[in-house]
Amino acid sequence: QVQLQQWGAGLLRPSETLSLTCVVQRGSVSGNYWSWIRQPPGGGLEWIGEVDQYGSTNYNLSLQSRVTISKSISGKQFSLSLTSVTAADAAVYYCARSKVGVMEGASFDSWGRGIMVTVSS
Amino acid sequence: QSVLTQPPSMSGAPGQRVTISCTGTNSNIGAGSVVHWYQHFPGTAPKLLLFDNNRRPPEISDRFSGSKSGSSVSLAITGLQADDEADYYCQSFDNILRGPVFGGGTKLTVL
Repeated sequence: QVQLQQWGAGLLRPSETLSLTCVVQRGSVSGNYWSWIRQPPGGGLEWIGEVDQYGSTNYNLSLQSRVTISKSISGKQFSLSLTSVTAADAAVYYCARSKVGVMEGASFDSWGRGIMVTVSS
Repeated sequence: QSVLTQPPSMSGAPGQRVTISCTGTNSNIGAGSVVHWYQHFPGTAPKLLLFDNNRRPPEISDRFSGSKSGSSVSLAITGLQADDEADYYCQSFDNILRGPVFGGGTKLTVL
């Protein structure tokens, strides 16, 4: 069973850049797709974007101008960068695995525990 | 405002059957995109409950099942148990937004 361990800064000021990392433990990066998903307080889930084993990405159209998802050279980590954050970006951020890409109708079968990110001046 | 519409809350007594609906449009569920369901206990990682409309991961009880009709899908839970009390989310793919979309979630209370 894949396990995902997340870390990153949980408190940001407006206009700063959010940076989170997810480590793939007990599982293979190859053949899988890795997404970031967020949930604002009291809100529903929102898919942010995905990266595959080759580093190819797909992004949520509403966030793509501010988002970068990348995979480490070692292949066991992937990261999320979201620039120019505002209060609307405050949320619990999850990393997740899918066995097919989102364009093929992926489901997310392994999730990290989530990191709460607060945006406050 | 979520793309997929779910009732915000539902409740049922132990042993009962409850059905949670998820309504989409002709750019997602109505277009034939498959639907997945997740169970989420706040503070923990969401768990995949059903995928591809009605398929269960091996570790998921057969008390959970899914059905689809037109632009709507339903998650049925039979023999309701206290530890079924959680938030439930549906997810599909939207052809216009070109990405996964979720319902707003349904908080299930076991009375």
